[in-house]
Amino acid sequence: AQTVTQSQPEMSVQEAETVTLSCTYDTSENNYYLFWYKQPPSRQMILVIRQEAYKQQNATENRFSVNFQKAAKSFSLKISDSQLGDTAMYFCAFGGSQGNLIFGKGTKLSVKP
Amino acid sequence: GAGVSQSPSNKVTEKGKDVELRCDPISGHTALYWYRQSLGQGLEFLIYFQGNSAPDKSGLPSDRFSAERTGGSVSTLTIQRTQQEDSAVYLCASSADWGPTEAFFGQGTRLTVV
Repeated sequence: AQTVTQSQPEMSVQEAETVTLSCTYDTSENNYYLFWYKQPPSRQMILVIRQEAYKQQNATENRFSVNFQKAAKSFSLKISDSQLGDTAMYFCAFGGSQGNLIFGKGTKLSVKP
Repeated sequence: GAGVSQSPSNKVTEKGKDVELRCDPISGHTALYWYRQSLGQGLEFLIYFQGNSAPDKSGLPSDRFSAERTGGSVSTLTIQRTQQEDSAVYLCASSADWGPTEAFFGQGTRLTVV
C-alpha cells in the first residue's frame, strides 16, 4: 500500500524568505503523480503544484517549485519569497493506479511579518 | 457549476441522529471522492464514484456510513446513528476522469456530534 509521510508538523518562516517542506512516499508503482495542496483556514483545498513521475524536470509554478527525487521517493516543496498569504496547512499527496489521492498528515506553515 | 459545492457548511447534530451531507461536483466531472479530515489530521479516503457506481467502499469506517450518487452528478454521504467520533470535516472532490489527475475540492462540511 502506498504511504505519504510529512515529517514536519509545523514550520515558520519570515516574510520574503525561502522555506522547504519535506515529503516522502512509498510505492511500488512506476507511473504516478505527486501533488502539493494548500489548505488555508477557509478549509478550501487548493492545488499548488503537480509533478508527473515520468518527468525528470522539476515542476515550477511562480514562487513554488519542487525537488522530485524518484529513486529516493522524495518530493519537497520550496516556497520562495514567502508571503503572509502563504500561511496555511500544506498537504503532500500521491496519486497512483488506485485513483484516489493519498495524503500525508500535513505541515502547518506560518509566515511571520 | 464553477466549483465543487458542499452543503451544509456546518452541521451540529445530537448523538444518535442521522445526517446527510451533500456534494455537487463540477459539471462534467465523472469522478467524485469523499474524504474525512479529523482535527489536526490528514485526509482519510472514504469512497469514490466513477459515474454512479462506487467500485470500492472499503474506506467507509463502518456500516453506519453510506453514499450514493445519482445522475452522475450530486452525491450524498449519509451517516446513521452518529457518534462523537464522527465529528470531523467531510471534504468532497471531483475530477474530470478517474485516475491520478488533479482533484478539485469543495469547502467541506464541518460535522459536530454533541
